[in-house]
Amino acid sequence: AQSVTQLGSHVSVSEGALVLLRCNYSSSVPPYLFWYVQYPNQGLQLLLKYTSAATLVKGINGFEAEFKKSETSFHLTKPSAHMSDAAEYFCAVSDPQAGNNRKLIWGLGTSLAVNP
Amino acid sequence: DSGVTQTPKHLITATGQRVTLRCSPRSGDLSVYWYQQSLDQGLQFLIHYYNGEERAKGNILERFSAQQFPDLHSELNLSSLELGDSALYFCASSPPIGSYEQYFGPGTRLTVT
Repeated sequence: AQSVTQLGSHVSVSEGALVLLRCNYSSSVPPYLFWYVQYPNQGLQLLLKYTSAATLVKGINGFEAEFKKSETSFHLTKPSAHMSDAAEYFCAVSDPQAGNNRKLIWGLGTSLAVNP
Repeated sequence: DSGVTQTPKHLITATGQRVTLRCSPRSGDLSVYWYQQSLDQGLQFLIHYYNGEERAKGNILERFSAQQFPDLHSELNLSSLELGDSALYFCASSPPIGSYEQYFGPGTRLTVT
């Protein structure tokens, strides 16, 4: 069965510092991978997705993620954190062979704090 | 704006009551997913409908039920409400082809008193 592990439930960085949020997955087939962001009292917003094309994926708000099959990882990065990046971040995986029965398997989320 | 709409935005009700949450997916999306999000449980998948048919069940209680109508909107019914049912309830939709990403609505905040 697929699973997603987000290392670190809370991450704190200084404004302008590198953001690195970790996500590892387990899947028997190359999956589709997603990062979502959730601001307080809002719904989840898709940041970026990996769908077996380029392994380095660029998303919105300056975020990017790299798919590393050998490490079964899909870590999210941003070179320079802004105060507005403070939010909850979720990694998710989907089985591309699931057809119409597809669903996303979610990580537990990482809360990102950005300090001035 | 994701294109997914949910009503109502807030709901306050008493224990033992029944409520209905409504979701309209993005135009063209056939799948609707329901999630519950609470501080202690995190994001929990409840149920998935595809074009009117139930496709997957997650951690959905027997007191909860859902359906998807011919116009593809969906309703989540919560009955015999308990204090522990207080949470944010999200609906998401996804396109019928492609990479299966889900687009989330703004959520309904349910408070059971």
